[in-house]
Amino acid sequence: DAGVIQSPRHEVTEMGQEVTLRCKPISGHDYLFWYRQTMMRGLELLIYFNNNVPIDDSGMPEDRFSAKMPNASFSTLKIQPSEPRDSAVYFCASSLRGGGATDTQYFGPGTRLTVL
Amino acid sequence: QKEVEQNSGPLSVPEGAIASLNCTYSDRGSQSFFWYRQYSGKSPELIMSIYSNGDKEDGRFTAQLNKASQYVSLLIRDSQPSDSATYLCAVSPDSSYKLIFGSGTRLLVRP
Repeated sequence: DAGVIQSPRHEVTEMGQEVTLRCKPISGHDYLFWYRQTMMRGLELLIYFNNNVPIDDSGMPEDRFSAKMPNASFSTLKIQPSEPRDSAVYFCASSLRGGGATDTQYFGPGTRLTVL
Repeated sequence: QKEVEQNSGPLSVPEGAIASLNCTYSDRGSQSFFWYRQYSGKSPELIMSIYSNGDKEDGRFTAQLNKASQYVSLLIRDSQPSDSATYLCAVSPDSSYKLIFGSGTRLLVRP
């Protein structure tokens, strides 16, 4: 399997612009997670989906952030408008259906976002 | 107080030594505990999971859990330079899939 795929790998944008990050989970995985990693705050869960339905979005920092999962093989994380403090590495991860909380989460390579 | 605490390090050990990484958590009801390894510029990868008090061994790695004291540790035996990375402790506070990560401990293994 190709693993979790994320695009773009790097994104540089100017403050105020819309940013869309994309993720393709591992085929057959029913859970999809979006994380953000910064030096100051570490790795934080933003939102996760089960069977394309958002389950917990309590980590989404504010209304400028939105996430969708229109089908089992694709998810987006959108920031509109972007701000310099959104600069971070954004990871997508997926895990297999069932098995309770013990399922391994497999991380994608991440998108490094820089907002100028 | 952070929910999952780790010493940021760096923890420096000579090659062949035992590296001991520690993690404490605040939610006494936490059920599942994980250690992830993250090389610089790469994504986290799971190396150990533990759910019951005691030790769990996997090759050179041993995870230890003490729920009464609310700590989890990871021992790496016969440390190799290739073990040099940041080790992230993650805790699932309930039966959901939500993981709370510590800030990580950077490990340096000197040849």
